[in-house]
Amino acid sequence: EPEVTQTPSHQVTQMGQEVILRCVPISNHLYFYWYRQILGQKVEFLVSFYNNEISEKSEIFDDQFSVERPDGSNFTLKIRSTKLEDSAMYFCASIWRVNSYEQYFGPGTRLTVT
Amino acid sequence: SQKIEQNSEALNIQEGKTATLTCNYTNYSPAYLQWYRQDPGRGPVFLLLIRENEKEKRKERLKVTFDTTLKQSLFHITASQPADSATYLCALGLNAGNMLTFGGGTRLMVKP
Repeated sequence: EPEVTQTPSHQVTQMGQEVILRCVPISNHLYFYWYRQILGQKVEFLVSFYNNEISEKSEIFDDQFSVERPDGSNFTLKIRSTKLEDSAMYFCASIWRVNSYEQYFGPGTRLTVT
Repeated sequence: SQKIEQNSEALNIQEGKTATLTCNYTNYSPAYLQWYRQDPGRGPVFLLLIRENEKEKRKERLKVTFDTTLKQSLFHITASQPADSATYLCALGLNAGNMLTFGGGTRLMVKP
């Protein structure tokens, strides 16, 4: 069964450094998302991406964050200058068409900012 | 502001019994509601979807109800098994493809 994959599984970085989290959505999916989950808290929406542009973004997704689909398979989330409070699990998700509901989540990247 | 509440206390039940989890929401008019399963250190896995005009949905041992008047969804697992032990998340959406807003999840423990 096709899966969303994410790399790395765990990223440790120092405060102020840039990080790029990578996702490979399911191959025929068209709509992509990033969510995050701080330890012990809710899964929170960050951004959605369709047709090479951002569709929706939350208040969390400020100027420090950016997303990109650099080629036909990868979908990346960049955090320009990490803060301690960016430490969380980051999940990529995708759906196969615009009028789909079921979101397929990847296994997540655990980001630890020290 | 929008609020989605799930029982934050763990639900402990005996194998073979029916588990019932609750999701309540306020200040929100979702077009649909979804239930996901999340295991420790893993991403959510989709289980069931119910739309605002549907009262009940079933899939194998799972049943979900949706009461838009009470602003509540109930999620049932019948004949529960230890393998059903996980955290169950409800998530609300306004339209297909839109962002999901998640509740905090309820941890279910099924004891043999």
